[in-house]
Formats: sequence, structure tokens, C-alpha cells
Amino acid sequence: DTAVSQTPKYLVTQMGNDKSIKCEQNLGHDTMYWYKQDSKKFLKIMFSYNNKELIINETVPNRFSPKSPDKAHLNLHINSLELGDSAVYFCASSQGQPTNTGELFFGEGSRLTVL
Amino acid sequence: KNQVEQSPQSLIILEGKNCTLQCNYTVSPFSNLRWYKQDTGRGPVSLTIMTFSENTKSNGRYTATLDADTKQSSLHITASQLSDSASYICVVSLNTNAGKSTFGDGTTLTVKP
Repeated sequence: DTAVSQTPKYLVTQMGNDKSIKCEQNLGHDTMYWYKQDSKKFLKIMFSYNNKELIINETVPNRFSPKSPDKAHLNLHINSLELGDSAVYFCASSQGQPTNTGELFFGEGSRLTVL
Repeated sequence: KNQVEQSPQSLIILEGKNCTLQCNYTVSPFSNLRWYKQDTGRGPVSLTIMTFSENTKSNGRYTATLDADTKQSSLHITASQLSDSASYICVVSLNTNAGKSTFGDGTTLTVKP
């Protein structure tokens, strides 16, 4: 009964391909996020959704498109993958609006390797 | 320049010893500060949270302190165990906006037997 689960855990693909990472949370939280952690271990927010509505959209290439079919799911689709997209992508959730100081609950991460 | 800086970048200690990790921040207006622990290959997990009015918060062998005047926080680990080996990330939130929290680069702690 994992709280925040993401799939796949590992993804190896060729440059130029399109891939998706799925995320689901069973905590009943209203807000979900995608973070990117590069090789230097620095976590950087990409997107935030609250009740299926996009709240935060950092400077991310438009090849990245998040989709939230309901408040328990936030999927990340990446078009035309590039070498620099290789990283670990973390999904997270928190209770309430992003303006609340809710604790972030992270998934286990999805390691994307672009060859 | 990152507005949340952690030191040291990495630290190696022997099992049973104590250690202290530092976090200095320049972000404002400050709302709260969290310490997260990230085991290798896992997602970060919250250890402590402190608001402006709190000076110290404990979670088992982990004790976090906060000096809002000097904008410094520390995480003290007592009687370290091998399982404490992980990255420790300091996260400062502004205006209660958890989504745009500023993350430090983390301190990688290795506990050796």
C-alpha cells in the first residue's frame, strides 16, 4: 500500500523517442508534483497540480507535458527525448494547496536514461 | 547561487559517533524549514519541520535547530548507525508555498562500521 507510487522505476530509451512516467497517490492529497533530480543530486521542481489544475510550471521545455486525469494521478509525458533528460524523476504529493506548508511525500523515483 | 546552502557536501563518520549538518539560507520571507533524508535509490522522507517560532525539534536520534535571526539550521545526529548513511536535504519554504520550496544541494553522510 505504497503512498506515492510511480512507474516505471527504470526507463532506458533512445534519443528522439517519446516516453511517459505514471504517478499515483493514495493519500487523498490535493496537490501533486514532479521533480527532477540530476546527477548532482539537486532536486528541482518541474510542475505542480492542485485538484487537476496546473499551479506551478517552472521553466521546463514544452517537450514535457504533465497530465492529471484526477487528483490522485499525475503523469509525465516527454516528447523527443534528449540526452540531457537523463535524470531521476520524482513524483510527490502534499495536502491542500501548494500555498500550504504541507509535508511532501515522495515516490521512489523513476530513473530515465537516454542513450 | 543557491539560496539554501548546505555543508559539508559530504561527511564520513564511524558508527556510534555524533555529527552535525549545516544549512544556511537567504530566502525570505521564511515560512518553514524541513530536513529530509534520502536513502540511495529512494525518495526523500521528511525528518523534521520547524516554523519561525521554533528553535529545536527532535525526531528520535535526529535533532534539528533553527536560528531565524542568522538564517541557519543544523541537523544533529546522535549515536550514528549504518542506516543513517544517506543524503540529508534542507528545504526552506516561502510564504507557505510548499510547491516552490527551495531545496539545498544536500549533504551525503556515510557511516562506517
